[in-house]
Amino acid sequence: GENVEQHPSTLSVQEGDSAVIKCTYSDSASNYFPWYKQELGKRPQLIIDIRSNVGEKKDQRIAVTLNKTAKHFSLHITETQPEDSAVYFCAAPEGLTGGGNKLTFGTGTQLKVEL
Amino acid sequence: DVKVTQSSRYLVKRTGEKVFLECVQDMDHENMFWYRQDPGLGLRLIYFSYDVKMKEKGDIPEGYSVSREKKERFSLILESASTNQTSMYLCASSLFNTEAFFGQGTRLTVV
Repeated sequence: GENVEQHPSTLSVQEGDSAVIKCTYSDSASNYFPWYKQELGKRPQLIIDIRSNVGEKKDQRIAVTLNKTAKHFSLHITETQPEDSAVYFCAAPEGLTGGGNKLTFGTGTQLKVEL
Repeated sequence: DVKVTQSSRYLVKRTGEKVFLECVQDMDHENMFWYRQDPGLGLRLIYFSYDVKMKEKGDIPEGYSVSREKKERFSLILESASTNQTSMYLCASSLFNTEAFFGQGTRLTVV
C-alpha cells in the first residue's frame, strides 16, 4: 500500500520569506498529488494539486513540484503572510484494482508565519 | 457547491456504548472516507468505501466498522467505545483521483 512521508513537522518563517514542505510516496503508480490546508478549528481544504503528466504547477504565491523518478513532491509558498499559518497536508491517492481510491495523507506540517 | 455533512459537531459517550457517526454528501461521489485526527499524527484512515455496500479497511480499522447502504451516506460505528477512541473524526468524499471534500468534523469524547 501507499506510504506517504512528510517533512518537516513544524516550520517557522518570517513574514515575506518562502516556505517549502516536502513529501515522498511509495507507490509508483500514483498519478495525482494534492495539498490541503487546515486552519485552526476548520476542515482541510484543497489548495493546489498536480498530476503526473506535469512537473510543476503554480497558483499565485503557491506552487507544487513533482519528481516522479525520485517519488517526491513539494509545496512552495512564496512571500508568506500571517494568514498562511496553518497545518498543511500532502496526499497520494492509491488506485485499487477493484475500483476507487485509498486516500493516504502525510502527517502534516504546522507552518507558523511570524511578523 | 459540494457539501459533506456530519451528523454531530460534538459528542460525549460512555465507555462501552455503541456509537454511530453519520456522514452525508450531496455530489454523487463514489469514494467516501473516515479519518481520525490526533495531534502530531495527522489524518489517519480508518475505513473507506468506493461504492454502495463496498468497504475497505484503512490503516487503523480496529475497534471500528462502517456501513454504506446508500451512495450518499457513510456511517462509522464504534462497537464498544473506549477512552482511546476520544478524537476528532473527519468524513470526506471524492470522485476518482480528484479533490476530496471534508465534513466539519465530530469531536468525540469517551468518558
